[in-house]
Amino acid sequence: GQNIDQPTEMTATEGAIVQINCTYQTSGFNGLFWYQQHAGEAPTFLSYNVLDGLEEKGRFSSFLSRSKGYSYLLLKELQMKDSASYLCAVRRRGSARQLTFGSGTQLTVLP
Amino acid sequence: EAGVTQFPSHSVIEKGQTVTLRCDPISGHDNLYWYRRVMGKEIKFLLHFVKESKQDESGMPNNRFLAERTGGTYSTLKVQPAELEDSGVYFCASSQALTRLAGAFNEQFFGPGTRLTVL
Repeated sequence: GQNIDQPTEMTATEGAIVQINCTYQTSGFNGLFWYQQHAGEAPTFLSYNVLDGLEEKGRFSSFLSRSKGYSYLLLKELQMKDSASYLCAVRRRGSARQLTFGSGTQLTVLP
Repeated sequence: EAGVTQFPSHSVIEKGQTVTLRCDPISGHDNLYWYRRVMGKEIKFLLHFVKESKQDESGMPNNRFLAERTGGTYSTLKVQPAELEDSGVYFCASSQALTRLAGAFNEQFFGPGTRLTVL
């Protein structure tokens, strides 16, 4: 089976930096995704890592260590609109390519 | 380009009734997925279509759930008869066919979900 863990809630201040961690256990790892989901809306794709290292995209960066089964999403220069749920999801090799999600981290950005 | 759309956005039904959810994927996307999030839990995979064929339905909870994708375009998910534990948000996602042009990560685009409440 698969097990994906991420903190339930985090709070940070506008303009600050926050790191959301995700640990996973899976066989046949084939990529880790981060999605952002505002309440009542569709999850939207943020980043993808399949090799070890850091992927940077504007204010958001994502890191992966396959040997440790660990990823983090780094959000810089936080804005109020970044308040949302952040979902870590793992894909396994195989024809189905479905995603297995963590429970999500609810981030609240305070003024 | 229009995104993934789902209908209805909300549905409230009584236990024992039937409900049909619809998903329209992004035009040209061969892969279509159904996921579900029940209260307090993570989003869980239900099934995957490639065009009109069911590729994997290992996540379907029981035979009260029936998914179809006739013609390989839109998909429906029918729950009959609905039970209280079926309440949750049902998401649909789509992605391109698995080719080199699609890219290694083959991003899944999600719809806004249908919130189903069974009373």
